[in-house]
Amino acid sequence: DVKVTQSSRYLVKRTGEKVFLECVQDMDHENMFWYRQDPGLGLRLIYFSYDVKMKEKGDIPEGYSVSREKKERFSLILESASTNQTSMYLCASRPGSGSIYGYTFGSGTRLTVV
Amino acid sequence: QKEVEQDPGPLSVPEGAIVSLNCTYSNSAFQYFMWYRQYSRKGPELLMYTYSSGNKEDGRFTAQVDKSSKYISLFIRDSQPSDSATYLCAMEGLGQGAQKLVFGQGTRLTINP
Repeated sequence: DVKVTQSSRYLVKRTGEKVFLECVQDMDHENMFWYRQDPGLGLRLIYFSYDVKMKEKGDIPEGYSVSREKKERFSLILESASTNQTSMYLCASRPGSGSIYGYTFGSGTRLTVV
Repeated sequence: QKEVEQDPGPLSVPEGAIVSLNCTYSNSAFQYFMWYRQYSRKGPELLMYTYSSGNKEDGRFTAQVDKSSKYISLFIRDSQPSDSATYLCAMEGLGQGAQKLVFGQGTRLTINP
């Protein structure tokens, strides 16, 4: 089975801290994604990457950056955490576009910024 | 207007009922349609997918796409308490940006024993 592993299930950080969320996939997928999930707002795309060192902004990139130095790892960085970034963060990967290649999601990181 | 609209519920039905979950969309370029299931404190998992219009059946689940109406549905027959989860529709077009899916808000479903 494809696995997408997010390094932390729960994180509590202080306002202004720099926060790193790590995601690793083990099936050589080209595409990786970071979403946040909030009640009433659903899944919102922050950033995605279709290749090593390549990244594209999603719908809500402000306050975030990403890094993809290796194919299997995609990191989300909160440059200066704020309370409105308290959320569930979901990482996903997929091998390519097309109907049978849906996303495989990680279990999520619930981040609380205090 | 959101590209994909999904009633967030919550929806609560008795065990054994037939459940109908629905999404509407505005982008006629969408060609691939998926349903994800998300249990509490877990990431979403792919449940079903369909291409273009038509029906697809997998056990107790049936996915239906009506492109003329820009409307997709997921039917669950003989619903079980283990079906209690949030269900998200997702869709994708072809061409530029085709790697990323567009999701509905998710419908929270509870099946009562």
